[in-house]
Amino acid sequence: DTEVTQTPKHLVMGMTNKKSLKCEQHMGHRAMYWYKQKAKKPPELMFVYSYEKLSINESVPSRFSPECPNSSLLNLHLHALQPEDSALYLCASSQEEGARTDNEQFFGPGTRLTVL
Amino acid sequence: AQSVTQPDIHITVSEGASLELRCNYSYGATPYLFWYVQSPGQGLQLLLKYFSGDTLVQGIKGFEAEFKRSQSSFNLRKPSVHWSDAAEYFCAVGARSYGKLTFGQGTILTVHP
Repeated sequence: DTEVTQTPKHLVMGMTNKKSLKCEQHMGHRAMYWYKQKAKKPPELMFVYSYEKLSINESVPSRFSPECPNSSLLNLHLHALQPEDSALYLCASSQEEGARTDNEQFFGPGTRLTVL
Repeated sequence: AQSVTQPDIHITVSEGASLELRCNYSYGATPYLFWYVQSPGQGLQLLLKYFSGDTLVQGIKGFEAEFKRSQSSFNLRKPSVHWSDAAEYFCAVGARSYGKLTFGQGTILTVHP
C-alpha cells in the first residue's frame, strides 16, 4: 500500500469556524508533512513531523495547528482562518525525514479548502 | 538557501513530439533533485529522482532527466509525448538532513493532437 489518504476532499468554512484536515498513511513512514498550494503556485512546506514530533514549522500562523497523534495519522486543525488561506492542502509522508536514495515523499490528493 | 527555477511557465507540444522541460537549481551542497507531475486538482506524483551516481536518470512513464553539475541543471525529457502527459510539472530540490522540498514555479504542459 503506497497510498496517502486525505479527508475531506473539499471543505468550505467561515472565518469563525473550527475544522480539521486529516491525513493517513499505512506505509510505516516516520516522517509526515503538510504543504499549502495556492492556485497556479508550487507547494510550500508548512510543517514536518518526524517520529511524531514537530521537526519543522515554516513560520506558519498559529491559526494552523498541526497534530500527529500516532505514526500513521497527521491532522491540521484550522481556526479563525482568512479568505487568503483558501488553497489546496497537501499531505505527504516518507520513510524518514531528509533526502536519501530510498526516501521519497509520497503525496496525498489534497484537501481543497475555501474560506468564506 | 536552496532554490529552483523553471524558466518556462507554459509549453505546448504536439502529440508524438519530443519534450524537454528545463530546471535550474541553487544549492550549497550535493543536491537531491526530483521531478513531480500534478494533474489538475490532484496531488503530486514522483516521476524520477537524482541523488548520486549516473547523471542520466530514468523514471516512470518514459521520462528521463540529466543532471549537469556544471550548468546547475536537471532537465526533464521524453522522446515522444502522449496526450495523457498534459499536466503541470514541478522540479524540486531536497536537503539531506531535513525534510524540506523546495519546488520550482512549475511548467504547464499542453499537448495538441
